[in-house]
Amino acid sequence: EIAMTQSPATLSVSPGERVTLSCRASQSISNNLAWYQHKPGQPPRLLIHGASTRVIGMPARFSGSGSGTEFTLTISSLQSEDLGFYYCQQYNIWPGTFGQGTKVEIK
Amino acid sequence: EVQLVESGGDLVQPGGSLRLSCAASGFTFSTCWMGWVRQAPGKGLEWVANIKQDGSDKNYVDSVKGRFTISRDNANNALYLQMNSLRADDTAVYYCARALWNNGWFVHFWGQGTLVTVSS
Repeated sequence: EIAMTQSPATLSVSPGERVTLSCRASQSISNNLAWYQHKPGQPPRLLIHGASTRVIGMPARFSGSGSGTEFTLTISSLQSEDLGFYYCQQYNIWPGTFGQGTKVEIK
Repeated sequence: EVQLVESGGDLVQPGGSLRLSCAASGFTFSTCWMGWVRQAPGKGLEWVANIKQDGSDKNYVDSVKGRFTISRDNANNALYLQMNSLRADDTAVYYCARALWNNGWFVHFWGQGTLVTVSS
């Protein structure tokens, strides 16, 4: 099973700041990586797949990059509605394992 | 509008059984891989199982193999998860998931979730 490690565990950021979330795979997963946003009281929603393909309708301030074992989700200018947990998931090998998540808090 | 509505979550004793259901609408259910993803309290997300469009192929995470069975009814746009021999570590919110395959499965759309609690 591929282990996914996300860092940091928690991020406290002011609105308008740039946010960078990291995700590392225990072995190469090519670009078979998805990012999800999970807001309180709502189900998760898909943000990005293929490491960098943003889902239609997701704000352009969200972007993904990376391949192999190192991946990054960037929020170019944090908005208050972006608070919540962010999870990465590898889907190179079944079962597609998730990271433990990064909690984004608004300062 | 895509909708996935789960039901069937409950409090059940260890060793007991439960059947979860998911009612799908707003898309062509029979053309989609579907699955279940769970989240234990304070823990991360975990794929439980998925099923091919016609039900001919199923995948399970090792921890539920032999205990859980995923199935679907395309005529009624419904997905199911039969859970037997439940254990305390099966306690979680179970999400119905519309999956996409592109070298592997990720979740394109999530239901609201249903809570399963396994406790005596």
